[in-house]
Amino acid sequence: AQSVSQHNHHVILSEAASLELGCNYSYGGTVNLFWYVQYPGQHLQLLLKYFSGDPLVKGIKGFEAEFIKSKFSFNLRKPSVQWSDTAEYFCAVNARGDDKIIFGKGTRLHILP
Amino acid sequence: DAGVTQSPTHLIKTRGQQVTLRCSPKSGHDTVSWYQQALGQGPQFIFQYYEEEERQRGNFPDRFSGHQFPNYSSELNVNALLLGDSALYLCASSLGRLGVYFGAGTRLSVL
Repeated sequence: AQSVSQHNHHVILSEAASLELGCNYSYGGTVNLFWYVQYPGQHLQLLLKYFSGDPLVKGIKGFEAEFIKSKFSFNLRKPSVQWSDTAEYFCAVNARGDDKIIFGKGTRLHILP
Repeated sequence: DAGVTQSPTHLIKTRGQQVTLRCSPKSGHDTVSWYQQALGQGPQFIFQYYEEEERQRGNFPDRFSGHQFPNYSSELNVNALLLGDSALYLCASSLGRLGVYFGAGTRLSVL
């Protein structure tokens, strides 16, 4: 069965700090990978996705993620965070040809102004 | 162009009751998936509807059922509510298999 593990449950950073949120998945086959963000009081939004091709994926708001197949990882990065990045971030995986997306438990990111 | 819309926004029910949640997919989308997000957890897949039929189902009991209408909108029904059914219920829509665009959800509280 597929599963997603997010390394940190809660992360606190100061503005302008660099961010890396870890994500590992378990599944032996071909996968699609996602990062979603949920801002306070708002709905789940797609930040970026990887289906195939270049393993370095750029998303909205300056976020990027790198798919490392050998490590079953899809870590999210941002060089310089802003206060407005305070939100909960979910890593998710989908097995090719499957209809469901499996989510991690989320990382709550708090940016100090 | 409206995104995925869900109604109602909040709902309070008591144990044993039945509830119906509604979802209108993003314009042009024909597939609707439902997820349950318990407090402190990531969303969990309930089932997906395509061409008015349940295409795939997650690990949820038969108390959870759904329907898709010819206009692609969908309903999620939960019978015999339990306290543990309290959660945020999310609808996702897509054109094709992956439901990647989510609505704001319906927060269900079971007392």
